[in-house]
Amino acid sequence: GAVVSQHPSRVICKSGTSVKIECRSLDFQATTMFWYRQFPKQSLMLMATSNEGSKATYEQGVEKDKFLINHASLTLSTLTVTSAHPEDSSFYICSASSPLAGAVDNEQFFGPGTRLTVL
Amino acid sequence: AQSVTQPDIHITVSEGASLELRCNYSYGATPYLFWYVQSPGQGLQLLLKYFSGDTLVQGIKGFEAEFKRSQSSFNLRKPSVHWSDAAEYFCAVGRLGDYKLSFGAGTTVTVRA
Repeated sequence: GAVVSQHPSRVICKSGTSVKIECRSLDFQATTMFWYRQFPKQSLMLMATSNEGSKATYEQGVEKDKFLINHASLTLSTLTVTSAHPEDSSFYICSASSPLAGAVDNEQFFGPGTRLTVL
Repeated sequence: AQSVTQPDIHITVSEGASLELRCNYSYGATPYLFWYVQSPGQGLQLLLKYFSGDTLVQGIKGFEAEFKRSQSSFNLRKPSVHWSDAAEYFCAVGRLGDYKLSFGAGTTVTVRA
């Protein structure tokens, strides 16, 4: 149980285009979802927290207009990188948390990640 | 705010040898502590977690960790490593009432034959 998927697993796009990444909780309803960014050989940096039906809460320094997050249902959150540039190339990981999935307090279930390369 | 320090960036260990990864946290109250493992190009898998109770916690894949409040540490151990344990390991800390996690910088484990 508590499986989180991401799609696509890998995407290459041209500079200036927008890319959408999906995060789905497959066997539970996620009350909260998180989006992280990870640069090579570095730790995970939290970008934003989203709750179903409400606006995402962005961490300091994260551009809201560039990284659009939508959490339209209890099983789906999307991250759209708008007008992507090479510096946006990174590994994006989502996670989900819900007491309905057996998560205790801060426990999060992570997706496999999406590798974004902007040419 | 809570923070996590993993002092060792890279550890190399022989297969069959023991492994210990260090984690120190900074947080005023009782923290929620986690160890995650990440294989190359993959997401994070939870190894074990500590919320309260017994300070020695057992996890998957033969890992264990001990919470030491006096040292603000939550070190991860495995008595005998396997080649498949080569990966990146992250310690994370959370706090009551807040779903957010703060991650350490990670420790890369290399296993040599």
